[in-house]
Amino acid sequence: DAKTTQPNSMESNEEEPVHLPCNHSTISGTDYIHWYRQLPSQGPEYVIHGLTSNVNNRMASLAIAEDRKSSTLILHRATLRDAAVYYCILRRRSGNTPLVFGKGTRLSVIA
Amino acid sequence: NAGVTQTPKFRVLKTGQSMTLLCAQDMNHEYMYWYRQDPGMGLRLIHYSVGEGTTAKGEVPDGYNVSRLKKQNFLLGLESAAPSQTSVYFCASSRTSGLDNEQFFGPGTRLTVL
Repeated sequence: DAKTTQPNSMESNEEEPVHLPCNHSTISGTDYIHWYRQLPSQGPEYVIHGLTSNVNNRMASLAIAEDRKSSTLILHRATLRDAAVYYCILRRRSGNTPLVFGKGTRLSVIA
Repeated sequence: NAGVTQTPKFRVLKTGQSMTLLCAQDMNHEYMYWYRQDPGMGLRLIHYSVGEGTTAKGEVPDGYNVSRLKKQNFLLGLESAAPSQTSVYFCASSRTSGLDNEQFFGPGTRLTVL
């Protein structure tokens, strides 16, 4: 399975944009890029996903490099509630493909 | 619409005891999953189900059994608990296994085995 690499931790000031990077140099052409986040003491929650084009939703934006070897999750205005562990996950097209979680990036938001 | 619920929220067992964790979803999802999360780690898949009456092994299935007798419920059993099974257990469900389909997670069950 293709692997992802994320920084262990990042810090942001409240109300500033946050760019969370993810490297996936061995991504295949049909792998989707998913982002989940896990707030303290909660189960993970879906954030966004994409294949080739940049994607926007009410929670975040996903910017995918042209060669698809990296992507960036963008939180436009970080709030204290966005403090969480963010997971970048590739889903390979091969039958049932459950999510494979790495250690993610722990985002701290400073008031 | 409760989403995914898990019972119990907390449990303490002695080594060798058995227990069953219950997961229920009210979204009519076909797929259900059990994960465990150890401190400082990501989630690891234990077992999953692609529909009522079916189950399959995930990454770390040893020491666990599962059943999916009803579409809305997915049970995780520990026949003889061991301290290595101390963890937080999360259940999830999804409409399909499609690559663009999101999974919905429950709040977790914190299990301690002494």
